[in-house]
Amino acid sequence: AQSVTQLGSHVSVSEGALVLLRCNYSSSVPPYLFWYVQYPNQGLQLLLKYTSAATLVKGINGFEAEFKKSETSFHLTKPSAHMSDAAEYFCAVTRNQGGKLIFGQGTELSVKP
Amino acid sequence: GAVVSQHPSWVICKSGTSVKIECRSLDFQATTMFWYRQFPKQSLMLMATSNEGSKATYEQGVEKDKFLINHASLTLSTLTVTSAHPEDSSFYICSARDRDRGRMNTEAFFGQGTRLTVV
Repeated sequence: AQSVTQLGSHVSVSEGALVLLRCNYSSSVPPYLFWYVQYPNQGLQLLLKYTSAATLVKGINGFEAEFKKSETSFHLTKPSAHMSDAAEYFCAVTRNQGGKLIFGQGTELSVKP
Repeated sequence: GAVVSQHPSWVICKSGTSVKIECRSLDFQATTMFWYRQFPKQSLMLMATSNEGSKATYEQGVEKDKFLINHASLTLSTLTVTSAHPEDSSFYICSARDRDRGRMNTEAFFGQGTRLTVV
């Protein structure tokens, strides 16, 4: 079975500070991993995805994530937080192309001025 | 490209009535669509996988007779909440995969969600 665990249901950073959102996965097969962002009362927007190519994945809005097999992690980072980054972030895993997504519990990011 | 539209974006209904939510892929064809449910401050829980032209596959614990899914075309899937009760109040989100991306299809595109309130 596959699963993802997001450490920290809420993260607060100051504007301009580093953003680090943690995600660890469990999978018996090579996983495909995703980070999504959700703004209030909206659907999900894909930030980036790992599909067994480069381990360092760059996404939209300055976000990136690094796949570390030895640590079973796929943490999301952004060098400098912006107020508009405040949202809910979900890490997700699927075992194959076209497979259903399994989501983590989400991390709410707050950005202080 | 790759836009998924849900309608309505919010709906209020009386207890005991049925509500239909539509999920449309606007610029691609989707043989598979997924329906999720999200409670406040919680993650997305997959309810069912909707396959065009065949019966939906429901996740364990989801009542198929209560949550009717129809995927009659390559661009439309509907979720009908039958005999709705207040505990069915939630945020429902659909996603779809682009059929024509084939083996490179690792991304699901999400609708904007539907807020259902049963009173």
